[in-house]
Amino acid sequence: TQLLEQSPQFLSIQEGENLTVYCNSSSVFSSLQWYRQEPGEGPVLLVTVVTGGEVKKLKRLTFQFGDARKDSSLHITAAQPGDTGLYLCAGTSGTYKYIFGTGTRLKVLA
Amino acid sequence: DTAVSQTPKYLVTQMGNDKSIKCEQNLGHDTMYWYKQDSKKFLKIMFSYNNKELIINETVPNRFSPKSPDKAHLNLHINSLELGDSAVYFCASSQSSGRWNTGELFFGEGSRLTVL
Repeated sequence: TQLLEQSPQFLSIQEGENLTVYCNSSSVFSSLQWYRQEPGEGPVLLVTVVTGGEVKKLKRLTFQFGDARKDSSLHITAAQPGDTGLYLCAGTSGTYKYIFGTGTRLKVLA
Repeated sequence: DTAVSQTPKYLVTQMGNDKSIKCEQNLGHDTMYWYKQDSKKFLKIMFSYNNKELIINETVPNRFSPKSPDKAHLNLHINSLELGDSAVYFCASSQSSGRWNTGELFFGEGSRLTVL
């Protein structure tokens, strides 16, 4: 069974701080996605990474796919209250099955 | 115009009842999904349909029966509801790209089911 463990589970930080969320698995994935979910809504895609070692930037968010394609990280620089939400990684192995991570709940305090 | 829409948004019912959740997508995607999100926010795949064909059935009890009348619709019927069925159910869609499906998942707003 493929599992994606995220850490930390919960994170509460002050506005302006930096943070990193990790997504780890013992399985290899052909691609890894990161989603953000806000209360009462469905997850929304932030990024897809497909190549081992790939780094993608989305404004203050930096995403990295591990060289072995088993893990990924999301780094947020100078977090803002608008970054508050549930962050989910999702891996796929070239099938229609997207395996979601255990989630990281981020709260950024003003 | 909502891309993936689910109804109802909230559902409160008694144990043993049967209920349905409907989902429609207007994105022209060929693949649709049902996911269950539990109280710990863990999203677990239940079913996936590609071009109306069931392609993933993730060891879900047979009280759950999905139906896809066409590519734009995927409904979920649940028989004999149990307390453990209480969760938020999300419908999603994506456009497959051949064998290597790495397309974006578009989610509906979710249907919160509470079984009393």
